[in-house]
Amino acid sequence: GIQVEQSPPDLILQEGANSTLRCNFSDSVNNLQWFHQNPWGQLINLFYIPSGTKQNGRLSATTVATERYSLLYISSSQTTDSGVYFCAPRPSYDKVIFGPGTSLSVIP
Amino acid sequence: NAGVTQTPKFRVLKTGQSMTLLCAQDMNHEYMYWYRQDPGMGLRLIHYSVGEGTTAKGEVPDGYNVSRLKKQNFLLGLESAAPSQTSVYFCASSYEGWNEQFFGPGTRLTVL
Repeated sequence: GIQVEQSPPDLILQEGANSTLRCNFSDSVNNLQWFHQNPWGQLINLFYIPSGTKQNGRLSATTVATERYSLLYISSSQTTDSGVYFCAPRPSYDKVIFGPGTSLSVIP
Repeated sequence: NAGVTQTPKFRVLKTGQSMTLLCAQDMNHEYMYWYRQDPGMGLRLIHYSVGEGTTAKGEVPDGYNVSRLKKQNFLLGLESAAPSQTSVYFCASSYEGWNEQFFGPGTRLTVL
């Protein structure tokens, strides 16, 4: 089955810094999503991005499906950005595979 | 709107006991999903439903059953709980297939 890798596994940022999170996947996918899980466990869908680039405020995502990777950019990070970021490629209609996540801590 | 709600929030079971987790959504979504999340890992899809009266297996369906008798509710059953089913269970829903998913707060289940 499809393998999903995320890097870095852990990241500590000073408030206001920028960062790039990477998701590599081993097979072609129909779609890909990025999720944020806050420190209290709540999951939020950030982007639904099969290809191209999308932006939402300080966050943006780019997926290059032909090269099998996706990037999540966080600019001007805030403490509320802390948590775990998961990418979840969808290799077929009935499968979605979550990556292991990147744990982000933003310190004031 | 309450969004997606899950009942109960916490539960402790003994091996062999059964229970049902309830997920309810008030957004008129067609698609609903059950995931489990084990410590330090991402989510794994257990079962999903593409509409009232339909269910389908996900990545890790063994030991679980589901039902979607009403559009707004998606039930996850454990017939004979095992310690390997200790996990946090998340329900989600979406308007269209696999589009933006809205998650419930999770149910923390411990099987002793």
